Amino acid sequence: GAGVSQTPSNKVTEKGKYVELRCDPISGHTALYWYRQSLGQGPEFLIYFQGTGAADDSGLPNDRFFAVRPEGSVSTLKIQRTERGDSAVYLCASSSPPGTTNTGELFFGEGSRLTVL
Amino acid sequence: GNSVTQMEGPVTLSEEAFLTINCTYTATGYPSLFWYVQYPGEGLQLLLKATKADDKGSNKGFEATYRKETTSFHLEKGSVQVSDSAVYFCALSDQGYALNFGKGTSLLVTP
Repeated sequence: GAGVSQTPSNKVTEKGKYVELRCDPISGHTALYWYRQSLGQGPEFLIYFQGTGAADDSGLPNDRFFAVRPEGSVSTLKIQRTERGDSAVYLCASSSPPGTTNTGELFFGEGSRLTVL
Repeated sequence: GNSVTQMEGPVTLSEEAFLTINCTYTATGYPSLFWYVQYPGEGLQLLLKATKADDKGSNKGFEATYRKETTSFHLEKGSVQVSDSAVYFCALSDQGYALNFGKGTSLLVTP
């Protein structure tokens, strides 16, 4: 597709369950990012991939959160043993690599809204 | 650490009014500064950016000037339209990738 695609758009789960959120970036974008946006807050950085590897995962809140990008395109954010505090909109973005003319221009998907009951 | 502070919303204006949304930042280096906008039902999209002091970013009638002396990047538009109703986010980056966002300012423009 033309833009960043995220699935599911909405996910309701119970406390303690495992959740996967998927992101399909813009074709040709080697950089991929995950952000989390809680109600009334701005997006908060979670992790950045350059190609297949996580170049910076310093924003992941704890070891229940993990993300992969095995073939350098689609990425999956995985959350184990979900807690009510994990409820948020999870945003994925992609871009040309840092240092190119598009530095800082991230292209965002519409997000996956996660609700943990 | 890096941070961005922007004015609280919601901001309600009549069509053709002048808009200012204040944004100040704290950063250890020389960051790039951005305004992103989120229209209802859509993803965040870049509105404008400035990469060094005194640069002015502009797009769709919106402008913002990178002021290093006041650590500010205020967003302005001379005459807002109903279609400008959205949430506006100020952001900075000093690493070329991770963005630090403000909390967002909701703008509602009434006819």
